[in-house]
Amino acid sequence: ETGVTQTPRHLVMGMTNKKSLKCEQHLGHNAMYWYKQSAKKPLELMFVYNFKEQTENNSVPSRFSPECPNSSHLFLHLHTLQPEDSALYLCASSQDRISTGGNEKLFFGSGTQLSVL
Amino acid sequence: SQKIEQNSEALNIQEGKTATLTCNYTNYSPAYLQWYRQDPGRGPVFLLLIRENEKEKRKERLKVTFDTTLKQSLFHITASQPADSATYLCALATGRRALTFGSGTRLQVQP
Repeated sequence: ETGVTQTPRHLVMGMTNKKSLKCEQHLGHNAMYWYKQSAKKPLELMFVYNFKEQTENNSVPSRFSPECPNSSHLFLHLHTLQPEDSALYLCASSQDRISTGGNEKLFFGSGTQLSVL
Repeated sequence: SQKIEQNSEALNIQEGKTATLTCNYTNYSPAYLQWYRQDPGRGPVFLLLIRENEKEKRKERLKVTFDTTLKQSLFHITASQPADSATYLCALATGRRALTFGSGTRLQVQP
């Protein structure tokens, strides 16, 4: 166990559904991240939160809406997704935000495998 | 454009041999580079970090080198075992507020 828990592990949804992905970290970290992993493609950064504040939105479509109520919890709200959004969605945390002067490493959850029909 | 390339999508080796995985990057000046292991259906797990002013890092059977002139990192697993079979990802700290990842190399160690 990495200390980062994601639920659900698997999700199938229609294009008109609304669903949410949940991530919780028990490591006392200050930074949290959402990454998208599609088959045979690199992990794509979606959002970064540091001390509950969003510090990066990597040009993600508005049908993905993140929420970070506190440093331990991160949500990704999904609405009117497209079939090409089917992927593994990974949550990660780090003690502090990634910076060139630090040595931060990421702790990942097991991901939510999302299928959009 | 900025790119991170990891050698061949898949690498097959015999048990006991040394596996060498490559990570090349262009148009980045990373402060440090990390390697992660990912098993099917799981998130990546951190293995090693090497800074730009370090040439080599070791941890048990793992060794990482970092050549900022060649813009390349090599990841070695010595005395490989079937349990080492997984996808290995390199990631760069490039000044953004998160790591940028390569697409990974899938290693298969045959018994």
